[in-house]
Order: sequence, then C-alpha cells, then structure tokens
Amino acid sequence: SQQGEEDPQALSIQEGENATMNCSYKTSINNLQWYRQNSGRGLVHLILIRSNEREKHSGRLRVTLDTSKKSSSLLITASRAADTASYFCATDAYSGAGSYQLTFGKGTKLSVIP
Amino acid sequence: GAGVSQTPSNKVTEKGKYVELRCDPISGHTALYWYRQSLGQGPEFLIYFQGTGAADDSGLPNDRFFAVRPEGSVSTLKIQRTERGDSAVYLCASSPMTSGGFTDTQYFGPGTRLTVL
Repeated sequence: SQQGEEDPQALSIQEGENATMNCSYKTSINNLQWYRQNSGRGLVHLILIRSNEREKHSGRLRVTLDTSKKSSSLLITASRAADTASYFCATDAYSGAGSYQLTFGKGTKLSVIP
Repeated sequence: GAGVSQTPSNKVTEKGKYVELRCDPISGHTALYWYRQSLGQGPEFLIYFQGTGAADDSGLPNDRFFAVRPEGSVSTLKIQRTERGDSAVYLCASSPMTSGGFTDTQYFGPGTRLTVL
C-alpha cells in the first residue's frame, strides 16, 4: 500500500518558473524524503526532512513539512529543462515485521519547457 | 565512487521461467533493499537486508519470490515460475546503516526492467 500521495499528478511549466509539488500522508512519520526519477529508472535522493523539522533547503530546492496536516511540499525555484523528471515523496512506515521501510507515492511528473 | 549497479538492465523471459536479478550495492553499505515499480506507480518495498540476513521480507508478494545476500554485499533476487504480472522494473538500493531502526537516505541502482511474455 502507498502512504504518500503527490499532487498534482502532472505539472508543466516554462523554464525559469517555480514548480511546487505537494505530498500528503496518512500515519505519523519519523522522516520524509523526496526523490527524483528520470525515464522510469533509478531514483536520486534529493532531500530528507525529519519530523521535528519544518523547512529545509538544498540549492534550488525547498522542502516544508507540516506534521499537523500530514503534508509536505517541494519547491524547485528557477526551473531548468534538466529538472524534467518524476518526483516522489517517501515516508517511513512500520512494515509490521520489525522495521521501518519507505513507502512511496505515485509521483508528480514535471515537464519544464525550454 | 561507484554507485549501485544492477544486472541485467533488461530481462525478457517467458511465463513459467525462473529469473535471477543481481544487485551490487555501494561498497561498505550494510543495508540493502529491493523494490518493485510498476508503470505509473511509485516503488514498492519487497525485502530489506541488514548484512547477510533478511531483516524484513514482508513486502515479498508470494513464495515465488526469494532473495539472498550470502556475503553481505551482492544480492540476488530470484523469481520462480514467472507470471505476466511480475513484469515491472526491479530496483535495488543501499544505505550505510539504518538510524536506530528508522530509514535513512537510500542510493538506488538503475533498475532491471523485467518483461514476462
């Protein structure tokens, strides 16, 4: 089952604009991560935010976390054509078998038009 | 340094056949994960190794799926009697260690695209 759900499912913007993607989840978390995936293959880790953090920055990326609303957002500023990819949020959830595992949403497909 | 590698990159097989998918994690990473990703979906957890042992295999869909990591490095995911529904991209990831049982940053391989005809 998938805990995180990204919104929107698809987003198309012009190069230079900002892109905002949202993630909602259902159960309490220890941390939330954002990953990027190009062409349906390997995922690249972007940023990890812990449950006691509210905002985190990394280069052109800004992530916020609101645990009271069980939601997170990823902002990419000054987008580039190379940012075109699918973006996934992943939350850790107890698997029921002794460990915490990442559960991913379905992703937001971002297209940046040059 | 070298990232996570997976072989083969693509595998086409016939229904009922046996397949093995290999994962080479980043050197020194003790935690290794297998995921399965169907078209239009996010990755779904299959199994997690800490060292040589499968610490959590609760994501394996049925007993046709099995994975090993005999020396605590390379891992092999084995699928018996493949079915068309097994077609997906199989992703492997590794991380240095788990942080008190919580998940940490994972480094993914490029995946193996399995097609069962």
